[in-house]
Amino acid sequence: NAGVTQTPKFQVLKTGQSMTLQCAQDMNHEYMSWYRQDPGMGLRLIHYSVGAGITDQGEVPNGYNVSRSTTEDFPLRLLSAAPSQTSVYFCASKGQDYGYTFGSGTRLTVV
Amino acid sequence: DAKTTQPTSMDCAEGRAANLPCNHSTISGNEYVYWYRQIHSQGPQYIIHGLKNNETNEMASLIITEDRKSSTLILPHATLRDTAVYYCIVRGSGGSNYKLTFGKGTLLTVNP
Repeated sequence: NAGVTQTPKFQVLKTGQSMTLQCAQDMNHEYMSWYRQDPGMGLRLIHYSVGAGITDQGEVPNGYNVSRSTTEDFPLRLLSAAPSQTSVYFCASKGQDYGYTFGSGTRLTVV
Repeated sequence: DAKTTQPTSMDCAEGRAANLPCNHSTISGNEYVYWYRQIHSQGPQYIIHGLKNNETNEMASLIITEDRKSSTLILPHATLRDTAVYYCIVRGSGGSNYKLTFGKGTLLTVNP
């Protein structure tokens, strides 16, 4: 039982490049979400999903796309990276209990 | 979700109890109080939650005032590993209300 696994842990992109941040959970959780955290700030919700095939926007969705084709995976896509997207990205999942499980994060730098 | 107010930072001596306050004066009847913490650079970790009764688990205790407008997270015997940012979050129950809204939290520093 690995919990929530995020890959890669670190990434450097050039402005305009695209990439996908991967998130996988093995707990059969229906709910998954993506957050970003900027220095000195709390986490802000980007996108979330309440089940396979269902996604919705959070607080800061612009510049990001998501899809949920399986219960296990919830990838986050940056279509054209911008320096403003330099941040630490956290994926989280939640099952029927009350607590959310977070991944260890992906540290993204856009130059 | 109701807004929460927490002190920016607090200090605590190792081995002593750490009491972290949170104000949530606009909380509504069906909203729970959740506590998470984030140890440097790691993902947030669930600690405890409650509705109106005091709660205790292996990590901490949660004391909620009778009017539910404030709460206190208690770490009974703080260790150096408890140094982290602690987030107090108010969230409604219900099947469609999954979103967590994070503030800036309280940086707890446990000193030797």
